[in-house]
Amino acid sequence: EVQLVESGGGLVQPGGSLRLSCAASGFSFSAYWMNWVRQAPGKGLEWVASINPHGNEKYYVDSVRGRFTISRDNANNSLYLEMHSLSAEDTAVHFCTTGGNYWGQGTLVTLSS
Amino acid sequence: DVVLTQSPLSLPVTLGQPASISCRSSQSLVYSNGDTYFCWFHQRPGQSPRRLIYEVSKRDSGVPDRFSGSGSGTDFTLKISRVEAEDIGVYYCMQHTHWPHTFGQGTKLEIK
Repeated sequence: EVQLVESGGGLVQPGGSLRLSCAASGFSFSAYWMNWVRQAPGKGLEWVASINPHGNEKYYVDSVRGRFTISRDNANNSLYLEMHSLSAEDTAVHFCTTGGNYWGQGTLVTLSS
Repeated sequence: DVVLTQSPLSLPVTLGQPASISCRSSQSLVYSNGDTYFCWFHQRPGQSPRRLIYEVSKRDSGVPDRFSGSGSGTDFTLKISRVEAEDIGVYYCMQHTHWPHTFGQGTKLEIK
């Protein structure tokens, strides 16, 4: 059974940092492009970042470039999102996904002072 | 960035009736290899999105055949031949031809 399980979300102060993790199982993780997609409360989906199977090609939405870093550990079937200089606009459920049919349940990042 | 504009944003439908959602792109979604990387997702309240259609018209495994996708270039459509109660939720179009990948605003389907 395919599983993507995100963790690392929580309450953080503006300007703070957070590291999200995604544990993958049930499919050939190292063969897939992986993505982070987020959804602010009551809002639509927003693609955040993508990383190629080897981890040497990365893309970001403009609003997070320079603040977020996507990375992966194929040996441990894990995907990460390092987030810095967080602001209220980053409050959202963050999903780990292959971009197709495999999605995690999401982890909530909440900015609050 | 590619802007995807969905219409309508709200879609009240009677059970058993057809439904159609349009998604228009600000630029062509045809990739250099001739493929079009455009898909449709469905998200029920409190759930993660589920992809229904990929590459414009290919149905994902397990997706009922009442769902169909069509279109080309900049103009795409998702059709539901007969709406069922389980189809409620929000439908999103998405393109991954160009970076950054982008989603439409979402169309909320509800039962009349």
